[in-house]
Order: sequence, then C-alpha cells, then structure tokens
Amino acid sequence: GENVEQHPSTLSVQEGDSAVIKCTYSDSASNYFPWYKQELGKRPQLIIDIRSNVGEKKDQRIAVTLNKTAKHFSLHITETQPEDSAVYFCAASISVMGNQFYFGTGTSLTVIP
Amino acid sequence: GAVVSQHPSWVICKSGTSVKIECRSLDFQATTMFWYRQFPKQSLMLMATSNEGSKATYEQGVEKDKFLINHASLTLSTLTVTSAHPEDSSFYICSARDGTSGTGIQYFGAGTRLSVL
Repeated sequence: GENVEQHPSTLSVQEGDSAVIKCTYSDSASNYFPWYKQELGKRPQLIIDIRSNVGEKKDQRIAVTLNKTAKHFSLHITETQPEDSAVYFCAASISVMGNQFYFGTGTSLTVIP
Repeated sequence: GAVVSQHPSWVICKSGTSVKIECRSLDFQATTMFWYRQFPKQSLMLMATSNEGSKATYEQGVEKDKFLINHASLTLSTLTVTSAHPEDSSFYICSARDGTSGTGIQYFGAGTRLSVL
C-alpha cells in the first residue's frame, strides 16, 4: 500500500518568515494530494490540494508543489502569522474520489510572534 | 460550509463493553465516509472506508469484527467498538465526502475520545 512520509515533524519560524513542509509517497498511482490543517483541539480542515496534472497550485499565502517523477510534494506558507500555528498533514490518494487516503505523520508548526 | 457532526465527543467505558460512535453529515449527502484513528501527536490512520449501502472496506490490520461500521444512509455512519479493551483507547475521527459536488473534499468530524478502563 501507499506510504507517506512527512518532514519535519516540528517546525518553528519567526512571524513573517516562510515555512516549508515536505512529503514523499511511494505509490506512483497516487494522483491526488491534499493538505490538512489541524489546530489544537479542532478537526482537520482542508487548506489546499493538488492533482497530478499540475505541478504547482497557489492560494494566497499557501502554495503546494508536486514532483511526480520524484514522488514528493511540498507545502509552502509565506508571510507566516501566529494563526498559522497548527499541525499540518499531507495525504495521498489515487484520486480525489478515491476510497483510500493515506496521511503523513504530521508537522507541528509554531509561528513565533 | 459542509458540516460533519460526530458524537459522542468523549466516552469512558468499562473493559468488555461496546461503544457506538455516530458520524453525521448535516447539510450534504455523504456517499463515502472514512473512519480514522489518531494517536496522541500522531497522524490519522485510516481504519476503514464505507460507502452508503455497502459493506465497509477495512484497512489491513483492522479487525472488522472488532470495529463494526454501518453506513445505512447518506447522512449517517456508525462505528461500534465491540468488547472494548484499554488498548482501544484512542481518538477516533470520521470524515465524510460529498459525492454530489465532485470535489471529493473530505469534511471531518470533531472526533471522539474513547477511554476504556
């Protein structure tokens, strides 16, 4: 089955700096890669996703890049703010409507004011 | 936006009893629901996927007789932890996918903390 690895496990950045979280996956059949943000005590929420037919997607301060050849994808957060502090999870699935989603181990991001 | 309600949020039970957790999509039809287990400071581990009206598909290593999943309607899926033991103590979280929107976005419930004494 799919194996998703995520790095780093913890990340601290100064407010205003950028944060980058990287994930690798093992199953070349995976084509859909969502990112979820989970604030302390709250449910995970989708923040951005990318499908294999594009290499990059951006939404305001958040961007995701995908390298299918190397089987890795990354989340980029620019101009970080304290409210960006949370645990971020990457995931991989064969398709957006797939029946199996495999999550990375999570990255705890702390933005220091 | 789409809302998924999960109940109870916290349950404490004695070893050997069964516990039922409900996951409801409040304003959309959830053709597919996912059940995850999350250990402290760890990732979401997919336990099973359930499609409305059919049997759930369990991930390798997840005992289907231990974790009974029922998805009888487009808005409700239940997970029953049968004969719970202390090692079943964990955070269980469901998600529901709106099959009609075509986006495939999963909306998560708030989770259920199960403590087995």
